[in-house]
Amino acid sequence: DAGVTQSPTHLIKTRGQQVTLRCSPISGHKSVSWYQQVLGQGPQFIFQYYEKEERGRGNFPDRFSARQFPNYSSELNVNALLLGDSALYLCASSLVVGGIYEQYFGPGTRLTVT
Amino acid sequence: GDSVTQMEGPVTLSEEAFLTINCTYTATGYPSLFWYVQYPGEGLQLLLKATKADDKGSNKGFEATYRKETTSFHLEKGSVQVSDSAVYFCALIHSTGNQFYFGTGTSLTVIP
Repeated sequence: DAGVTQSPTHLIKTRGQQVTLRCSPISGHKSVSWYQQVLGQGPQFIFQYYEKEERGRGNFPDRFSARQFPNYSSELNVNALLLGDSALYLCASSLVVGGIYEQYFGPGTRLTVT
Repeated sequence: GDSVTQMEGPVTLSEEAFLTINCTYTATGYPSLFWYVQYPGEGLQLLLKATKADDKGSNKGFEATYRKETTSFHLEKGSVQVSDSAVYFCALIHSTGNQFYFGTGTSLTVIP
């Protein structure tokens, strides 16, 4: 089975621009989460969606938004980009095993803001 | 709030050396604990997990035991290989939540 896929792989944007990142979960997984990983740090939780509804939101400004589609794929949007938004953006799809979410991560999208 | 603290890196070991990467956590209740590994240029891969106190997670020669009394989940391997060179992340998820909390990561380099 295919794993979590993300596109694009790399992206370079200018301050003030807007960006959309895409994620396709593992087949059968209905939950998608987004994380931001700044260089040298651990991933920080941004959003979780389940069955197209937002189930969790991390401590990120309103410039960050996301949505999930009927096929469970997801998009992360970031408006008014800042230099500090440069990071690896990871998508994870989840399967509940014994009541616990097991998250499987995609390879990430490397966003560079100049 | 919930948090994870990992030992500072980077860690450099010779092949076949013993590895320990310390991880402690702060959480209410009984979280599940995980170790993820990230190879250069890649996303995170689940290495092992433990869902309750005294559980031992193991995979590919790596082990970690969920210690409730010391709120720890240290990663160990008896004999590391060059191919184990990567960044290792300790993480937790609360039993009532769906958000992972990650440590800052520990970079491991194994030299021949």
